[in-house]
Amino acid sequence: DSGVTQTPKHLITATGQRVTLRCSPRSGDLSVYWYQQSLDQGLQFLIHYYNGEERAKGNILERFSAQQFPDLHSELNLSSLELGDSALYFCASSAAGTGFGNTIYFGEGSWLTVV
Amino acid sequence: AQTVTQSQPEMSVQEAETVTLSCTYDTSESDYYLFWYKQPPSRQMILVIRQEAYKQQNATENRFSVNFQKAAKSFSLKISDSQLGDAAMYFCAYVRYQLIWGAGTKLIIKP
Repeated sequence: DSGVTQTPKHLITATGQRVTLRCSPRSGDLSVYWYQQSLDQGLQFLIHYYNGEERAKGNILERFSAQQFPDLHSELNLSSLELGDSALYFCASSAAGTGFGNTIYFGEGSWLTVV
Repeated sequence: AQTVTQSQPEMSVQEAETVTLSCTYDTSESDYYLFWYKQPPSRQMILVIRQEAYKQQNATENRFSVNFQKAAKSFSLKISDSQLGDAAMYFCAYVRYQLIWGAGTKLIIKP
């Protein structure tokens, strides 16, 4: 158990809909990262938050948004869903920012299927 | 820009034998960190090993060890006494100011 909690574990929704994925980082971790992994693909970095502030943005679509709350949990909002958004969405956390070389711990992921 | 290359999309090894997965990276930085993560069929991402660039000693975790060649910018993972449970995708990652991932190597263990 990495200590990173993601909910829901599985989600099936229709095209055009909106979903919210939730992440609770490990206790004490200030950084939260979101990744997308499509079937048989590598990890696509979406966004990084540190202590409530956006630190880096990757290939995140405009239909997607995220935030990190004062209690450090984070939410990834996906809207106007398309079939191609079907993927495994990972949340990860680390003690500080990546520049400090802290190990990044991953949650089990949220499986999103868009039908 | 920093890049991480895993040149072997897939490798296979006989159970109980040793296999080495390659990873090369490109950076102009002198201080950074390198990681190997494992992703079994369950799709969970599991940290295998971590290496700090300023440490010359190669990191080791039980049957997993790395060959870190800083000048060559190479960071290979050696798995000794391969077990069926080692079958997974293995990702190499570099971090300095950003976390950069390799494309992954699929490791198949033959019984």
